[in-house]
Amino acid sequence: DGGITQSPKYLFRKEGQNVTLSCEQNLNHDAMYWYRQDPGQGLRLIYYSQIVNDFQKGDIAEGYSVSREKKESFPLTVTSAQKNPTAFYLCASKISGLAGYNEQFFGPGTRLTVL
Amino acid sequence: AQSVSQHNHHVILSEAASLELGCNYSYGGTVNLFWYVQYPGQHLQLLLKYFSGDPLVKGIKGFEAEFIKSKFSFNLRKPSVQWSDTAEYFCAAHSGNTGKLIFGQGTTLQVKP
Repeated sequence: DGGITQSPKYLFRKEGQNVTLSCEQNLNHDAMYWYRQDPGQGLRLIYYSQIVNDFQKGDIAEGYSVSREKKESFPLTVTSAQKNPTAFYLCASKISGLAGYNEQFFGPGTRLTVL
Repeated sequence: AQSVSQHNHHVILSEAASLELGCNYSYGGTVNLFWYVQYPGQHLQLLLKYFSGDPLVKGIKGFEAEFIKSKFSFNLRKPSVQWSDTAEYFCAAHSGNTGKLIFGQGTTLQVKP
């Protein structure tokens, strides 16, 4: 089955700890994205990557970091500098980075709770 | 900055009622528009998209949307909703040549049986 997997589904973290969320896709998509979903705020873009070894900040990148060493993987690290990390995190991918008409496909999400 | 605005945050309808969810975008250039749906416990999935041509776009499960350029709008419609349409709906616009999608705040639709 082709798709996007995110792990873990639920994650609990103590304040002051860094945590890494996994995102893997086997769709052979070039572009990958990380969003944060909060009630009443829709999806906000954290980071995105259009090709391997390259990524750009989104609208709310502070307190987060990413890497793109392989085409199929785009892990997100939530650092202790992120002031309000409790949220639902969604990963997405797309065939090409620039073409607007290609839709993004989404993973099942990871719910992060900071205790 | 480009933005997307959804007018209704929470909509409650009875089965068989007609649905229209509003979406406005601020970008003035060429725009690609999307409606996504998130059913309870499921992945966010595409309902329909517009990138050119006929401004009336038909999607899955009987949904349609009309692109009105003069009003910067892309409202989602369904003539008769079902209980299974209960979900959160997101409008999104593609931003320039970056591949970035800008999402609206989302609308929670609750359909009563």
